[in-house]
Amino acid sequence: EDQVTQSPEALRLQEGESSSLNCSYTVSGLRGLFWYRQDPGKGPEFLFTLYSAGEEKEKERLKATLTKKESFLHITAPKPEDSATYLCAVQLRGGSQGNLIFGKGTKLSVKP
Amino acid sequence: DTAVSQTPKYLVTQMGNDKSIKCEQNLGHDTMYWYKQDSKKFLKIMFSYNNKELIINETVPNRFSPKSPDKAHLNLHINSLELGDSAVYFCASSRRGEARAQYFGPGTRLTVL
Repeated sequence: EDQVTQSPEALRLQEGESSSLNCSYTVSGLRGLFWYRQDPGKGPEFLFTLYSAGEEKEKERLKATLTKKESFLHITAPKPEDSATYLCAVQLRGGSQGNLIFGKGTKLSVKP
Repeated sequence: DTAVSQTPKYLVTQMGNDKSIKCEQNLGHDTMYWYKQDSKKFLKIMFSYNNKELIINETVPNRFSPKSPDKAHLNLHINSLELGDSAVYFCASSRRGEARAQYFGPGTRLTVL
């Protein structure tokens, strides 16, 4: 069964304390892996798409990487405004109409 | 200049009622989706739709039906609402093609009493 697992479920950091979020996946064939940010009471906001192992994408303090089994979202020197739930999702090869399979998310809290 | 919008934002209703949630996108996308986010914040696909094909997740009860009057709109109709339907419903859209990013609306929180 195709599966996406994110860890940890929750992460508390001090401002400036860098860390990484993990997304491991077991799928029949990967078309793309997506990272989203979700703030309370809002819809997921698109961050990155990764297509193949070895690929990296960066945006401000965030950097996403991809291997054949997992993806990492590295957060460098986080600020309180980075606090949110980060969602990982995969799109399968042969998957219907681009449907995404989401993990359960990592809730990140950054304290000043 | 909202990209994906949904109405209403909150919907409170009684069991057994029929309700609709509207979704509109102004991104020029040709594929739209409905997702359900349960109380544990787990986001799960319900439908995907373009002008040619509707794909229904097999776990979705047939009380739920998407209706698309045109490419920019995909509304969600729910008949005979049940307590377990309480959740946040998100509409999303994307361009057709491989691994295209999906852009989400703000969500509709449905509460069934």
